[in-house]
Amino acid sequence: GENVEQHPSTLSVQEGDSAVIKCTYSDSASNYFPWYKQELGKRPQLIIDIRSNVGEKKDQRIAVTLNKTAKHFSLHITETQPEDSAVYFCAARGSYQLTFGKGTKLSVIP
Amino acid sequence: GAVVSQHPSWVICKSGTSVKIECRSLDFQATTMFWYRQFPKQSLMLMATSNEGSKATYEQGVEKDKFLINHASLTLSTLTVTSAHPEDSSFYICSAIRTSGSNEQFFGPGTRLTVL
Repeated sequence: GENVEQHPSTLSVQEGDSAVIKCTYSDSASNYFPWYKQELGKRPQLIIDIRSNVGEKKDQRIAVTLNKTAKHFSLHITETQPEDSAVYFCAARGSYQLTFGKGTKLSVIP
Repeated sequence: GAVVSQHPSWVICKSGTSVKIECRSLDFQATTMFWYRQFPKQSLMLMATSNEGSKATYEQGVEKDKFLINHASLTLSTLTVTSAHPEDSSFYICSAIRTSGSNEQFFGPGTRLTVL
């Protein structure tokens, strides 16, 4: 089955700096890669996603890049703000099941 | 649109009792729903895939007789934790995929189960 590795597990950045979270996946058949933000005790919220026919996607301060050859994808958050502090999960999907990474706890220091 | 609800949001029960958790898609039909379990500070672990009108597909290591799943309609799936024990205490989250449209998963708010 699919295996998703996510790094780093924790990340602290100063407000205004950029944050990058990286994930790798094992199943070359995976074709959909969403990123979720989860605040403590709440449901995961989809923040951005990318499909395998696209190399990069951007939505305001958030961007995701995908390298299918290397089987890795990354989340980039620019101009970080305190409200960006949360746990972020990457995921990969082949047919319809999502496999999640272990999560990255992002702390934005004011 | 695409709202998924769960009930209850939290439950405390005694060891040995059974607990039912409901997952509803409020404004769309969902042929497929998923049940996840999340321990504190850990990732979401898929427990089972629930398909309307058929038996659920359980992930390896998940006891189907302990975690009973019923998906009787296109808007409702239930997870029953039978004979719950303290080690079953966890955050249970469901998600649903629209019957028509993209395969995006919409997550419920989760249910916090505490077994004493």
